Amino acid sequence: GAVVSQHPSWVICKSGTSVKIECRSLDFQATTMFWYRQFPKQSLMLMATSNEGSKATYEQGVEKDKFLINHASLTLSTLTVTSAHPEDSSFYICSARRGGPGDTQYFGPGTRLTVL
Amino acid sequence: DQQVKQNSPSLSVQEGRISILNCDYTNSMFDYFLWYKKYPAEGPTFLISISSIKDKNEDGRFTVFLNKSAKHLSLHIVPSQPGDSAVYFCAAVAGGTSYGKLTFGQGTILTVHP
Repeated sequence: GAVVSQHPSWVICKSGTSVKIECRSLDFQATTMFWYRQFPKQSLMLMATSNEGSKATYEQGVEKDKFLINHASLTLSTLTVTSAHPEDSSFYICSARRGGPGDTQYFGPGTRLTVL
Repeated sequence: DQQVKQNSPSLSVQEGRISILNCDYTNSMFDYFLWYKKYPAEGPTFLISISSIKDKNEDGRFTVFLNKSAKHLSLHIVPSQPGDSAVYFCAAVAGGTSYGKLTFGQGTILTVHP
């Protein structure tokens, strides 16, 4: 149990376009989902936290108008990178948590975004 | 400001020997710590965790030690196997923080040689 999927697994887009990444908890209901970004050879950096039906809480330095997060249901959260630029190219990973802060986060496989 | 640090970018170990991965933290509010294993182009997989009320937690070949006074934790893998080769991240959570967000270290690349 506790499987989290992401779609797509990789995407290439042109500069200026928008890209939507989906994160789904397949066999449990996730009260909270998290979005991370990982640059090559660097740590995972938390971008935002979202609870179902609420607005996402963004970390300092993350542009909320550029990285739109929607958590419409207990099993689905989406991250939309708007007007993507080459510097947005990265590995985006989501995680989902079933219960409260002490519960384990289960990570998706990640999405590789390349902006040309 | 890196609140969780893994100062060794890489570690190379012979199969069958012990692997010791280290992690230091600066935020005294952290009270729950986790280790994740990650393969390239995949999401992290949870390995083992420890609460600040304990100083040791063991699960099979994996043992995590916590030294609160030194703000230091370590992951021991015994015996190490080639399949353990991956990037290992330690992460910390501050109790009472909304949503229990994880703060990750930079990761240590473990290579286990046959």
